Amino acid sequence: DAGITQSPRYKITETGRQVTLMCHQTWSHSYMFWYRQDLGHGLRLIYYSAAADITDKGEVPDGYVVSRSKTENFPLTLESATRSQTSVYFCASSDLPEAFFGQGTRLTVV
Amino acid sequence: AQKITQTQPGMFVQEKEAVTLDCTYDTSDPSYGLFWYKQPSSGEMIFLIYQGSYDQQNATEGRYSLNFQKARKSANLVISASQLGDSAMYFCAMSPVQGAQKLVFGQGTRLTINP
Repeated sequence: DAGITQSPRYKITETGRQVTLMCHQTWSHSYMFWYRQDLGHGLRLIYYSAAADITDKGEVPDGYVVSRSKTENFPLTLESATRSQTSVYFCASSDLPEAFFGQGTRLTVV
Repeated sequence: AQKITQTQPGMFVQEKEAVTLDCTYDTSDPSYGLFWYKQPSSGEMIFLIYQGSYDQQNATEGRYSLNFQKARKSANLVISASQLGDSAMYFCAMSPVQGAQKLVFGQGTRLTINP
């Protein structure tokens, strides 16, 4: 199916562990994004990518790492998870002017 | 820096009435895009409508229209003939260039449609 998919949909991890959230799109859109959604803050940009091997920081990048070796994949890694990173994470890709969002990953850090 | 302000945390509207969700923005960029997204209780983000800063006409998509007042820096969403399925969170967002790049979101408005 065409679209943008995130995995896993739900994840519980322990403080200090490394965790990777996956994002895959089938459209070959150039731009991809990672946002986090917390109560009272709407969605905030973590990282984005304009093309394969080109990434840049967004508003809240600390504690996160991204890579984009292929156009269709844009994984987000929490190097050492903290409780403050408990959130819903959305991946998106952009076919101007629209951005298309994945279903989200609900991450809980205990 | 760009900023989006949505001043209505929640709104309650009777079914079939029109509803206006407020959005004001702040930017120094000469070119930008404005967006509205719907987030139902299931959690996905659904694109509703887009307005480019240089577009002369207000954007419309079915029952949705964007009331763009550039001088006032407002981009209100108007939903005509509301339906029960319109109950959701609504987010206004903007990007620094026309098109969806590096979206900055407001905090959202929770819309509840009463039968």
